[in-house]
Amino acid sequence: AQKVTQAQTEISVVEKEDVTLDCVYETRDTTYYLFWYKQPPSGELVFLIRRNSFDEQNEISGRYSWNFQKSTSSFNFTITASQVVDSAVYFCALSEAGGFKTIFGAGTRLFVKA
Amino acid sequence: SAVISQKPSRDICQRGTSLTIQCQVDSQVTMMFWYRQQPGQSLTLIATANQGSEATYESGFVIDKFPISRPNLTFSTLTVSNMSPEDSSIYLCSALWSPGSLAGETQYFGPGTRLLVL
Repeated sequence: AQKVTQAQTEISVVEKEDVTLDCVYETRDTTYYLFWYKQPPSGELVFLIRRNSFDEQNEISGRYSWNFQKSTSSFNFTITASQVVDSAVYFCALSEAGGFKTIFGAGTRLFVKA
Repeated sequence: SAVISQKPSRDICQRGTSLTIQCQVDSQVTMMFWYRQQPGQSLTLIATANQGSEATYESGFVIDKFPISRPNLTFSTLTVSNMSPEDSSIYLCSALWSPGSLAGETQYFGPGTRLLVL
């Protein structure tokens, strides 16, 4: 069965600090997709990144970076120089090939204080 | 990406009534999904809605309580029937969208409908 674990329930940092959100997944599929979504207080889920199981390259987008390691079944998300606007709940998600069914982690609530 | 809108954005309803939530996608998509997110919780899939076929419901969700329509490739509705306070949640619509065969598919979400049942 597929499972996504986000062990960090809440994280609180001061602005400009770096923060890493952990995500560990379980799947028996050899082809799968991993995602990160951001849910700000407004409630809308914002898509951040999609990673295919056959592509272990890390990715950087501005202050955001993602580290995908199949050996440890992890897909961690780092925010560099955090800002107050980064305060949100972040969800890691896993879907089978075809993306028909997506399993979401419990989410990590990030508080960034000014 | 797909842009998704939902109506209403929020509502306060009385116990025993029903509410229909509309979801509109700005492009044609094969698969749409309805999720429920209870306060402080993660997302729970209610059902998958494919155009031209019956919705597929997840364990714990039934058609009589959550009837879904999918009349075309850009629109879907979810009705929450005979509501009780336990139905107070955010209801999210999503669509599976792909920019092309090599880029893969991603779920994009609407802004959600915040429902409070008194």
